Amino acid sequence: ETGVTQSPTHLIKTRGQQVTLRCSSQSGHNTVSWYQQALGQGPQFIFQYYREEENGRGNFPPRFSGLQFPNYSSELNVNALELDDSALYLCASSLRGQGSYEQYFGPGTRLTVT
Amino acid sequence: DQQVKQNSPSLSVQEGRISILNCDYTNSMFDYFLWYKKYPAEGPTFLISISSIKDKNEDGRFTVFLNKSAKHLSLHIVPSQPGDSAVYFCAAENQGGKLIFGQGTELSVKP
Repeated sequence: ETGVTQSPTHLIKTRGQQVTLRCSSQSGHNTVSWYQQALGQGPQFIFQYYREEENGRGNFPPRFSGLQFPNYSSELNVNALELDDSALYLCASSLRGQGSYEQYFGPGTRLTVT
Repeated sequence: DQQVKQNSPSLSVQEGRISILNCDYTNSMFDYFLWYKKYPAEGPTFLISISSIKDKNEDGRFTVFLNKSAKHLSLHIVPSQPGDSAVYFCAAENQGGKLIFGQGTELSVKP
């Protein structure tokens, strides 16, 4: 069974640029959620994708957008990067519709905005 | 509005003793609670969960207790081992699959 993978591991961008982060879900899972974790805080929910559609969104501006592909992998896009976007971005996959609530996380992408 | 709170940023325990990590929540509509463990440079690892219709769930050395009237849950680790040293997050799941996390408690188990 393949776990959740994310790429890249680390990324440095300049304010105003755009970034794309990628996630491959655990085999057999159909739902992907993205979280932002600032230093010293718990992960904050950005949005969730199920059957290639956004299925719930947290308190993040529209410049945070995403995609889910037919193979259930996903991308997180952030436009017009701000310094406060520097954080660990976590992707989690889960199997929706089977009565299971557990989400399984990837190792994260550390984004630094300068 | 912090709906899930872990009021202890850190906890230190002797190896072999019990570790008790606490978590409080404000929203009575949460229907599932989870605990995750996180090592540096890794993503959170799922540990144990409990449905809101239960008050206890046990898995090996880990037991989670839920007190709905107090809106409080706790994770007990017995016996604690040095490898348990990590940051522990409690999370609550609302309808729709969104996880709301606490701020985390850093557990240090000393040999």
